[in-house]
Amino acid sequence: DAKTTQPNSMESNEEEPVHLPCNHSTISGTDYIHWYRQLPSQGPEYVIHGLTSNVNNRMASLAIAEDRKSSTLILHRATLRDAAVYYCILRDGGRSGTYKYIFGTGTRLKVLA
Amino acid sequence: DVKVTQSSRYLVKRTGEKVFLECVQDMDHENMFWYRQDPGLGLRLIYFSYDVKMKEKGDIPEGYSVSREKKERFSLILESASTNQTSMYLCASSSLAGGGNYEQYFGPGTRLTVT
Repeated sequence: DAKTTQPNSMESNEEEPVHLPCNHSTISGTDYIHWYRQLPSQGPEYVIHGLTSNVNNRMASLAIAEDRKSSTLILHRATLRDAAVYYCILRDGGRSGTYKYIFGTGTRLKVLA
Repeated sequence: DVKVTQSSRYLVKRTGEKVFLECVQDMDHENMFWYRQDPGLGLRLIYFSYDVKMKEKGDIPEGYSVSREKKERFSLILESASTNQTSMYLCASSSLAGGGNYEQYFGPGTRLTVT
């Protein structure tokens, strides 16, 4: 199974952009890249996903390298509520429709006021 | 709003007890998943189910079994709890028809302590 590598922790100042990197050098051609985050005392929640092209939504942007071996989650203006563990995940196609996730250990983002 | 609920937020059991963790989702999702989360190890998949009465082993199924008798309910069973099963257990569900997203919706977790 392809795996992801993320820094254990990062810090950002409030109102500044944050770039969270993820390496996935063994990604296969059909693996989607997903990002989830886990706020304290909660289960993970979906942030964004992509396959080859960069993606934007109301929460964040996802920049995917041309060779797909790395990606970056971009929070445009970090707030204190963005302090969480961010997981970069490869979605394994597997049996049709099952779409098993392969979680890494995540990056703990600390936002400083 | 999609809701995934788990029967308990905190549970304390003794070694050797049979433990049932229940998960219910209200979105008619086909897929359901059980993970455990431990410090430094992230989330690891125990079992998943893609249909009623169907199940597949995840990465760490040893010591666990599951049951899915109804579409909305997925149970994780520890036949004989051991101290190394002390962990946070997270349930999730997802739809087959997600437009390529197949977003997983997670419950709040059950923190199980086995003494």
